[in-house]
Amino acid sequence: GNSVTQMEGPVTLSEEAFLTINCTYTATGYPSLFWYVQYPGEGLQLLLKATKADDKGSNKGFEATYRKETTSFHLEKGSVQVSDSAVYFCALSDQPGGSYIPTFGRGTSLIVHP
Amino acid sequence: EAGVAQSPRYKIIEKRQSVAFWCNPISGHATLYWYQQILGQGPKLLIQFQNNGVVDDSQLPKDRFSAERLKGVDSTLKIQPAKLEDSAVYLCASSLTEGVTYEQYFGPGTRLTVT
Repeated sequence: GNSVTQMEGPVTLSEEAFLTINCTYTATGYPSLFWYVQYPGEGLQLLLKATKADDKGSNKGFEATYRKETTSFHLEKGSVQVSDSAVYFCALSDQPGGSYIPTFGRGTSLIVHP
Repeated sequence: EAGVAQSPRYKIIEKRQSVAFWCNPISGHATLYWYQQILGQGPKLLIQFQNNGVVDDSQLPKDRFSAERLKGVDSTLKIQPAKLEDSAVYLCASSLTEGVTYEQYFGPGTRLTVT
């Protein structure tokens, strides 16, 4: 079956540091890939997405590139802010048996200190 | 536009009792999802509806969980009887329609505690 593996958290950084959160996946079809973010006390919301190989999704200074050859979709940001502190979920949507089934990773908590 | 609405936000019940959760998706969204999110884990899909038909319910414990989406709009998820391991946040999400590229919009969730 499909699966998404994210790096363990929490990831703790100082403000303006560079961020990478690793995400790899296995899928039977040709999935779309997503990063969702959950800020404290709020629901999940889409951060960015990519629908085909070599696509780069970007939003709010975050980027992720769909790498089919390494089955990865790592999240990066050049300079994090305290307000980026949240839990980040990597997810895919695939069509293994005719239906589009979403699969989420465990989530990676990011803590940014001033 | 109004987001995905869920109620209640919190529920505490004893094991073997029953509980129901309600979800109202974004207007016009054909696809509705129910997830279970246990503390420290990612959301696990329980059931997916396209309009009022079930697309996938392979991870729904059907001996105790049931869900319906009457008229293709609102949905309810029921647990009867509840077990301790059902303690989790139950998330409802909707998307415009079914497809790999469509993003999901999530509600705030219902936090269930089973004692």
